[in-house]
Amino acid sequence: DAGITQSPRHKVTETGTPVTLRCHQTENHRYMYWYRQDPGHGLRLIHYSYGVKDTDKGEVSDGYSVSRSKTEDFLLTLESATSSQTSVYFCAISDGLNTEAFFGQGTRLTVV
Amino acid sequence: AQTVTQSQPEMSVQEAETVTLSCTYDTSENNYYLFWYKQPPSRQMILVIRQEAYKQQNATENRFSVNFQKAAKSFSLKISDSQLGDTAMYFCAFMILFGNEKLTFGTGTRLTIIP
Repeated sequence: DAGITQSPRHKVTETGTPVTLRCHQTENHRYMYWYRQDPGHGLRLIHYSYGVKDTDKGEVSDGYSVSRSKTEDFLLTLESATSSQTSVYFCAISDGLNTEAFFGQGTRLTVV
Repeated sequence: AQTVTQSQPEMSVQEAETVTLSCTYDTSENNYYLFWYKQPPSRQMILVIRQEAYKQQNATENRFSVNFQKAAKSFSLKISDSQLGDTAMYFCAFMILFGNEKLTFGTGTRLTIIP
């Protein structure tokens, strides 16, 4: 199995509080992605990274920011959590050569 | 912008039968990959099969095969001899190559195999 770990796995937080989710990889893959999964919407891309300090927005980036200061870590921050951000969040990695993306186990975030 | 459309939110089929899941996509690019991922109730994302756009031959992995129609931008998944363990959400996905490798998913098809 690809070495990719998301933390935390579960989190409950209050509206208006900042939240940071961490994705850590041990594969040295160049590309990293953050998705959210909601019923009826599949996996929607929030942000992705194509190298250290190189990131770009996905289709649902409003209210989210990311940082990648080193290859192995990709952080997703909700600056001020809202109930609409209650979701399951997945991180994925890819080396761009074999193109297969490997996924973390997901983080269930509940904003109350 | 690239989009992926899965028009069948739910499907069910009897065990041992064959089922086909549909997927269409939209892009102006020529270099890309297409994927089918499976997500069982465990929530784990599992790659089922992938297809390089430059290859005309349809990809096959055991009981799973695709029908790739590049001109029609269609990429369907056929599951033969379906098994109970095939029950899962199936996502079609698309990755542009040489362009930051953005990976885009469809909304998914929930497949139930009936004993």
